[in-house]
Amino acid sequence: ETGVTQSPTHLIKTRGQQVTLRCSSQSGHNTVSWYQQALGQGPQFIFQYYREEENGRGNFPPRFSGLQFPNYSSELNVNALELDDSALYLCASSLGLESSTDTQYFGPGTRLTVL
Amino acid sequence: AQRVTQPEKLLSVFKGAPVELKCNYSYSGSPELFWYVQYSRQRLQLLLRHISRESIKGFTADLNKGETSFHLKKPFAQEEDSAMYYCALTDYGQNFVFGPGTRLSVLP
Repeated sequence: ETGVTQSPTHLIKTRGQQVTLRCSSQSGHNTVSWYQQALGQGPQFIFQYYREEENGRGNFPPRFSGLQFPNYSSELNVNALELDDSALYLCASSLGLESSTDTQYFGPGTRLTVL
Repeated sequence: AQRVTQPEKLLSVFKGAPVELKCNYSYSGSPELFWYVQYSRQRLQLLLRHISRESIKGFTADLNKGETSFHLKKPFAQEEDSAMYYCALTDYGQNFVFGPGTRLSVLP
């Protein structure tokens, strides 16, 4: 198993609330990507951070935001939660920006339920 | 817009039979293509990438730009190959697109 960890494992929130999900990358990995995986679907790319700067973003509204810290930890923040935000949220870390050769290592995910 | 399709949600084969998991993509440039696998109770992990042209656990995948396909193949399926398989592409690492996945079930 890789060294990517995520917390919490499960989370229940109500519509309109805000949530922060956390990820700890493998040591030395400067890139972290976040994905949303709805039930029965493949992961959907939310955004990617490289050395604390957003490097790419998928088709998600601004209420999805992130932070990456120098200690290889990162956060995904979601404001004004909607029912459709219920999903498994995955983070993945990789060494750098060479997507053709740098392997993404995934965490176990955080299961978010919005009621 | 980039898109990855995997037409089969579930594929069942018998042990020792050949297996082919289909993947088609739509992308205007030259994407980088990958296969990811998720075994039961394990994390999503990279199986192989097209740029490496390697065989991993007996699996190979050939990029066919004319047909915009990247099918995953194995000549003789094993029970331990049972898992969820996702085809994915990226455009220089700034956007990753995953397909919906195919569940492979290898029967004894």
